[in-house]
Amino acid sequence: GAGVSQSPSNKVTEKGKDVELRCDPISGHTALYWYRQSLGQGLEFLIYFQGNSAPDKSGLPSDRFSAERTGGSVSTLTIQRTQQEDSAVYLCASSFGQGAGYTFGSGTRLTVV
Amino acid sequence: QKEVEQDPGPLSVPEGAIVSLNCTYSNSAFQYFMWYRQYSRKGPELLMYTYSSGNKEDGRFTAQVDKSSKYISLFIRDSQPSDSATYLCAMSRSNDYKLSFGAGTTVTVRA
Repeated sequence: GAGVSQSPSNKVTEKGKDVELRCDPISGHTALYWYRQSLGQGLEFLIYFQGNSAPDKSGLPSDRFSAERTGGSVSTLTIQRTQQEDSAVYLCASSFGQGAGYTFGSGTRLTVV
Repeated sequence: QKEVEQDPGPLSVPEGAIVSLNCTYSNSAFQYFMWYRQYSRKGPELLMYTYSSGNKEDGRFTAQVDKSSKYISLFIRDSQPSDSATYLCAMSRSNDYKLSFGAGTTVTVRA
């Protein structure tokens, strides 16, 4: 597609429920990233996928967070047993390769009530 | 102490003024420096991308990097109301895909 597409754009969920966030990167981009943006905070790295290599999961804040990327394209970020502190904007980005400028999607605004 | 420090503002300027934004950082290994612009409810958009020290100009935007002082700046000349947004600095080490971001500075340009 023309840009990085994320869905849903907004999600309100009850504490304790699981949520899935989807990212469709730019066609041909081999690298895909998830970041989290909390109010008044900078973007926080979560996870990185590059081609068929093992993902870098070092930024995931707890084992309630997981992500996968199917067929080298679409990625899903899953948060299990959501907590109020998980409320944030989750941003996905893609790039041609490591070190290249990212293109971000518009994000999913997650609110846990 | 955060790895990248950025004054959150807010910063309000009249149309036509020069906007001056800056970030400081603590990690001397950073080699790549970026500025992103983020409009409300949108993702960050890459504005400027520079390597190591020096200046880079693109239209009304000038990015400066001073590695000796661990200080980077973005200047916006002849600011327009459409420049009203949050500006985020970001940086990375050589051969590293992870970016370290500042918290962002919110800028309003008054017509």
